[in-house]
Amino acid sequence: QKEVEQDPGPLSVPEGAIVSLNCTYSNSAFQYFMWYRQYSRKGPELLMYTYSSGNKEDGRFTAQVDKSSKYISLFIRDSQPSDSATYLCAIRSDSNYQLIWGAGTKLIIKP
Amino acid sequence: DTAVSQTPKYLVTQMGNDKSIKCEQNLGHDTMYWYKQDSKKFLKIMFSYNNKELIINETVPNRFSPKSPDKAHLNLHINSLELGDSAVYFCASRGRAGGGYTFGSGTRLTVV
Repeated sequence: QKEVEQDPGPLSVPEGAIVSLNCTYSNSAFQYFMWYRQYSRKGPELLMYTYSSGNKEDGRFTAQVDKSSKYISLFIRDSQPSDSATYLCAIRSDSNYQLIWGAGTKLIIKP
Repeated sequence: DTAVSQTPKYLVTQMGNDKSIKCEQNLGHDTMYWYKQDSKKFLKIMFSYNNKELIINETVPNRFSPKSPDKAHLNLHINSLELGDSAVYFCASRGRAGGGYTFGSGTRLTVV
């Protein structure tokens, strides 16, 4: 079993829809949870950063962590064509700064 | 004013050649990384340096050799290039506080 599982998609939704992107992980020691967005032919950029459980909101983006289920989510409200990109989850423990990466989900927002 | 810059952006070369990719960061970060991203977008760590010292050396062929002349630079030299080395190589850096990584825009290597 991989340490972090993420459906590679692609996930195609119409403009304005609510998007839900998810990752599951296996190690309960993980405490830091991140979402990166990667546009085509660009490097990944940090989108959201969450410590431990709970929700974090930033504009149209909400990151959610459920440590009991080892499940993390990124919600995008009022999705726009400019949100079309690959979204990668990344997690790490308290003691090790090395990130464990999901495979990335390709998201396509249709105008 | 680019935070993490890599050169070149594109590299097309023949099998057997030796090539280098350079990376510089102006963020004052202590830790730098090299990642390989394959065609399926999976990011695989190759090396990590902290303040010029090698701290992570994943299982990569010894044809790959990183060099960090100072903590703002991390270069990657590849000897005897093979077809399977074709990928996008990303440099990244991380600050001391353990936050997220900042990535360069990548070097797309094609070996023919």
